[in-house]
Amino acid sequence: EAGVVQSPRYKIIEKKQPVAFWCNPISGHNTLYWYRQNLGQGPELLIRYENEEAVDDSQLPKDRFSAERLKGVDSTLKIQPAELGDSAVYLCASSLDPPGSYYNEQFFGPGTRLTVL
Amino acid sequence: SQQGEEDPQALSIQEGENATMNCSYKTSINNLQWYRQNSGRGLVHLILIRSNEREKHSGRLRVTLDTSKKSSSLLITASRAADTASYFCATDANSGAGSYQLTFGKGTKLSVIP
Repeated sequence: EAGVVQSPRYKIIEKKQPVAFWCNPISGHNTLYWYRQNLGQGPELLIRYENEEAVDDSQLPKDRFSAERLKGVDSTLKIQPAELGDSAVYLCASSLDPPGSYYNEQFFGPGTRLTVL
Repeated sequence: SQQGEEDPQALSIQEGENATMNCSYKTSINNLQWYRQNSGRGLVHLILIRSNEREKHSGRLRVTLDTSKKSSSLLITASRAADTASYFCATDANSGAGSYQLTFGKGTKLSVIP
């Protein structure tokens, strides 16, 4: 079974430029997550999808970040414009069931390391 | 915000020794999960323990949960160099308004010296 796929693995951009990350979750997983992980920290949730619906985006900086999950499968996270403080690893994860339920182990992709210069 | 707090922040042991990491949290949980992250890689799920369980085993891993103390521990027995990684606890808990969220701690960085 294929794992969570993310691309690109690395991205270096200048500040004020736009950037987009793509994620393909494990087949059959309805719940998809985007996390941001700063150096030396644990992942912090940006947004969670149940199928196509964003059900928890309270920690997504909506002035510059946007996300979509068309057809309830692949997802894209965009930053426009990027700032220096956005340098981090962006992780995508998926789970069979959502948090609070029984089978909600999350499976993570390798992440995209973003460097903003 | 991060609910789980791992202790210690860093741990260095010799190959063959046991490694113990602790996690404390603040609110009631549905379950608690442990993940491993090798340098530059994504997180890998290790084990999930539910709020009504006290102990769980998986291979060389042993996890305990004490809901009265709001704490958990992860024991890795007979450590190997390949166990070198960061270990995170994550709590599945109600984040408000009936919505649950998995919240990660800052992790324990384990180094196993061959």
